[in-house]
Amino acid sequence: ETGVTQSPTHLIKTRGQQVTLRCSSQSGHNTVSWYQQALGQGPQFIFQYYREEENGRGNFPPRFSGLQFPNYSSELNVNALELDDSALYLCASSFEPGRSNTGELFFGEGSRLTVL
Amino acid sequence: AQRVTQPEKLLSVFKGAPVELKCNYSYSGSPELFWYVQYSRQRLQLLLRHISRESIKGFTADLNKGETSFHLKKPFAQEEDSAMYYCALLYGGATNKLIFGTGTLLAVQP
Repeated sequence: ETGVTQSPTHLIKTRGQQVTLRCSSQSGHNTVSWYQQALGQGPQFIFQYYREEENGRGNFPPRFSGLQFPNYSSELNVNALELDDSALYLCASSFEPGRSNTGELFFGEGSRLTVL
Repeated sequence: AQRVTQPEKLLSVFKGAPVELKCNYSYSGSPELFWYVQYSRQRLQLLLRHISRESIKGFTADLNKGETSFHLKKPFAQEEDSAMYYCALLYGGATNKLIFGTGTLLAVQP
């Protein structure tokens, strides 16, 4: 069984640039969620993708966008980077919403983004 | 508004002592709550969920709707329990959206 993998693990960008983060879901999972974890905080929900469509979004501006591909992998794109976007970005895969094990997410190790 | 509060950033106990990690929530519906754990150099993972009413690694958590709490307890702490613990609330109906608390670092001293 392959776990959730994310890339890159670390990256540094400057204000105004754009970034793409990638995630491969655990085998058997068809739903991917993205979370932002700022230093000293818990993970904060950005959005979820199911059946290649956004299925729920947290309190993040439109410059945060995503994609899900037919193989269930996903991308998180952030445009016009701001200093406050510096954080650990976590990807989590799961079975589709509504199944009995809803709420059990399998996390990747994260991509640490630093915006200078 | 939906919220999860973990009042302690750090909880330090000695090996063999009881542990209680506090979690309070704010939610208008019927809550589903979870504890996630992150050991050093490992990824965030599910520890237990209240629906299962299970004991994992000696930890239990009881949902108290009257006090809106879901405290995590273990009668005798072990050094390997040292980790970051996050309480989480499932929210969003058709979305597996979790609202996390800020986490409590449990340090078990030898």
